[in-house]
Amino acid sequence: AQSVTQPDIHITVSEGASLELRCNYSYGATPYLFWYVQSPGQGLQLLLKYFSGDTLVQGIKGFEAEFKRSQSSFNLRKPSVHWSDAAEYFCAATTSGTYKYIFGTGTRLKVLA
Amino acid sequence: EAGVTQFPSHSVIEKGQTVTLRCDPISGHDNLYWYRRVMGKEIKFLLHFVKESKQDESGMPNNRFLAERTGGTYSTLKVQPAELEDSGVYFCASSPSGNEQFFGPGTRLTVL
Repeated sequence: AQSVTQPDIHITVSEGASLELRCNYSYGATPYLFWYVQSPGQGLQLLLKYFSGDTLVQGIKGFEAEFKRSQSSFNLRKPSVHWSDAAEYFCAATTSGTYKYIFGTGTRLKVLA
Repeated sequence: EAGVTQFPSHSVIEKGQTVTLRCDPISGHDNLYWYRRVMGKEIKFLLHFVKESKQDESGMPNNRFLAERTGGTYSTLKVQPAELEDSGVYFCASSPSGNEQFFGPGTRLTVL
């Protein structure tokens, strides 16, 4: 069955530290991959997406993600975290023709001052 | 350009009552999706409209849930009668083509 796994439910980092949020997928073919962020009281905002091509994808707010086919992973990274990055992050996947997203369970990020 | 809007933002109802959630997609987006997040779980797909037609409703949990999209514009999701396990956040998304979906802020439903 198709699935998306985010192994870390909670992550705490200090402001200015680097960040990596993990996402693994299980699909028959390479899916389209997304990272969304939900800040308190807000909706889901798209950070970045991967459809094909360059496996290192740049997004908004200084985030990037790397697609690794051999590891079935699409990890999200940021070199220096800001306090405003505290939020919940969701990895999602879909395939052409089905369109319904499958989400991971989310990773809640806490940033220490 | 206005984003996807959802109404209400919060709803608290008693078990057995009826609730109707509304979603207004981005203008011109033919595709409209409903998702739900039950506390502590992942966000799960409920159904997909293309214009006014239901393309895929495989995620609808049971027949207490009814979704409509009259005229291919806004959509409503009715829960009748509501049960405790229906509590969660209901997200709506729209898309011009399907691959990239734009999400609304969600409606938080609490069933007491």
